[in-house]
Amino acid sequence: EAQVTQNPRYLITVTGKKLTVTCSQNMNHEYMSWYRQDPGLGLRQIYYSMNVEVTDKGDVPEGYKVSRKEKRNFPLILESPSPNQTSLYFCASSLYSIAGGLDTQYFGPGTRLTVL
Amino acid sequence: SQKIEQNSEALNIQEGKTATLTCNYTNYSPAYLQWYRQDPGRGPVFLLLIRENEKEKRKERLKVTFDTTLKQSLFHITASQPADSATYLCALANSGYALNFGKGTSLLVTP
Repeated sequence: EAQVTQNPRYLITVTGKKLTVTCSQNMNHEYMSWYRQDPGLGLRQIYYSMNVEVTDKGDVPEGYKVSRKEKRNFPLILESPSPNQTSLYFCASSLYSIAGGLDTQYFGPGTRLTVL
Repeated sequence: SQKIEQNSEALNIQEGKTATLTCNYTNYSPAYLQWYRQDPGRGPVFLLLIRENEKEKRKERLKVTFDTTLKQSLFHITASQPADSATYLCALANSGYALNFGKGTSLLVTP
């Protein structure tokens, strides 16, 4: 089954304790992306990646890191989490083309993060 | 600044009627626009993509229009059903690969 998986699904942590949210897709998509969703603010893009070793900032990259060492994985790293990073996080993947841009984006189930 | 605006008020309609949701944008020249459905606590699910050179796209009971002069997309669900109740998001990209989402419109279809 084609899918995007994220782990963990729920996480409660404390300020300053480094954490990683993993994301994996089994569709051989080049493009992967991380979003956060907050009430009243909607979905905002954090980082995206066009392919292995190629990443770029989205609208709200501050406080986050990503890496793309393998095509299927795109982990989101919070080196020193703060309470304002409490949010619902989604990973997504997609095919894309130079001519057509992004195709269907497939989203993961979400990771609900609480930073105390 | 760039803006994507969707009706913040929930849309309540009766089963069987056509639901029409609006997505307006400013300071974008989108190459394409996408519509997604999102259920509470779940990831968005892709519905339709329409490109700048397309006026209309259909998929089963769904229809999307894209007017680059008005800077607006309309999303229609015909013969709506209670199962269509969800939040609907529009997303667009000027070109390339950074996709920006509207805040979504909540649709409630009552029997």
